[in-house]
Amino acid sequence: QVQLVESGGGVVQSGRSLRLSCAASGFTFSTYAMHWVRQAPGKGLEWVAFIWFDGINKYYADSVRGRFTISRDNSKNTLYLQMNSLRAEDTAVYYCATDPPSSGYALDYWGQGTLVTVSS
Amino acid sequence: QSVLTQPPSASGTPGQRVTISCSGSNSNIGSNTVNWYQQLPGTAPKLLIYRNNQRPSGVPDRFSGSKSGTSASLAISGLQSEDEADYYCAAWDASLNVVVFGGGTKLTVL
Repeated sequence: QVQLVESGGGVVQSGRSLRLSCAASGFTFSTYAMHWVRQAPGKGLEWVAFIWFDGINKYYADSVRGRFTISRDNSKNTLYLQMNSLRAEDTAVYYCATDPPSSGYALDYWGQGTLVTVSS
Repeated sequence: QSVLTQPPSASGTPGQRVTISCSGSNSNIGSNTVNWYQQLPGTAPKLLIYRNNQRPSGVPDRFSGSKSGTSASLAISGLQSEDEADYYCAAWDASLNVVVFGGGTKLTVL
């Protein structure tokens, strides 16, 4: 069965960096696009970033472009999110999610999320 | 302010049919398919409807989706207490090259 396990969250000071990981299993990771989506406490879902199955193309929300970098290692079945220059408004639960081929950007499996808290 | 517009709340009694709307523009809903997600309290979101009206395996046929022009709708028939959740619409925006979400609709089963 598909399993996505995020890790790397925690409490970090404003301006510092953090790297999130998403370990994938139960499907052919190298054929799936992947996304990061976040949810601030008590708020709605906010899409963060997207990477093609082969890692060639990457897309970012305006709110994180230039500060966050999405990447993947298909040999390790792992997705990453490098977060630099963190701000208080980046505080959220971060989810990774799968985007199967020809799904129309449907995020069909989600991890349980990892909480990032940015303190000022 | 979300790119896709949803009502913040909706409600119904058990057995009723409720609909949740999602309004966008030509660059997102108007030119791409719409997906819907259900988020039960304290859990990760779950894909409910994809490509406007397709249900993943395991999703009851009480849930249905439709799209017309730059708007989409999620309908839930035979409302059950376990349907109480937050519902989000989403689509790819071809102008912004991003996925856009609606602000979410909190469904209450009275």
